[in-house]
Amino acid sequence: LAKTTQPISMDSYEGQEVNITCSHNNIATNDYITWYQQFPSQGPRFIIQGYKTKVTNEVASLFIPADRKSSTLSLPRVSLSDTAVYYCPLSGGYQKVTFGTGTKLQVIP
Amino acid sequence: EAQVTQNPRYLITVTGKKLTVTCSQNMNHEYMSWYRQDPGLGLRQIYYSMNVEVTDKGDVPEGYKVSRKEKRNFPLILESPSPNQTSLYFCASSPRPKYATNEKLFFGSGTQLSVL
Repeated sequence: LAKTTQPISMDSYEGQEVNITCSHNNIATNDYITWYQQFPSQGPRFIIQGYKTKVTNEVASLFIPADRKSSTLSLPRVSLSDTAVYYCPLSGGYQKVTFGTGTKLQVIP
Repeated sequence: EAQVTQNPRYLITVTGKKLTVTCSQNMNHEYMSWYRQDPGLGLRQIYYSMNVEVTDKGDVPEGYKVSRKEKRNFPLILESPSPNQTSLYFCASSPRPKYATNEKLFFGSGTQLSVL
């Protein structure tokens, strides 16, 4: 089962761009890369998903290099409400979805 | 409104007293899953179900049972709860067709369980 590695925590000031990297050296050919956001006492919420290159939506951008062994979630101009835990799980084929501990982002005023 | 509904939101029980946490989704999703979340350990998968009557173990299935008799419901059963099962539990569902890996999970609001 492919495993992901993320920084445990990050701090950022309001208004800055934040980049969170996820390492997935053993990603399978058919795995998509998906990022979730979780606020305290709430369930994780889907943010963005991609397979390769760059994906952008109204919330974030996702950068995936050609070898797909890592991905970077980019949050433009963060605000206090972006303080949350961010996960980049991979599927174990089509069965297990392993989340890990995620990256705790603290946005500072 | 499309959603995953878990009940109860909070539950306090005693060791050995059987309990069931319900999970229901109204999106006609085939895939459903249970997770527990503990400080420092992140989200760990307990059981998942690819469809009705199809369930399988996740990473931490010991002490739990599930059933999938209907597509919309996926209850989590603790036959004899113990204090180490005190945790925050999440149910999730996905429209993921079989063999597809671009899942997008929809999570419930969580159930905080305390076993005394």
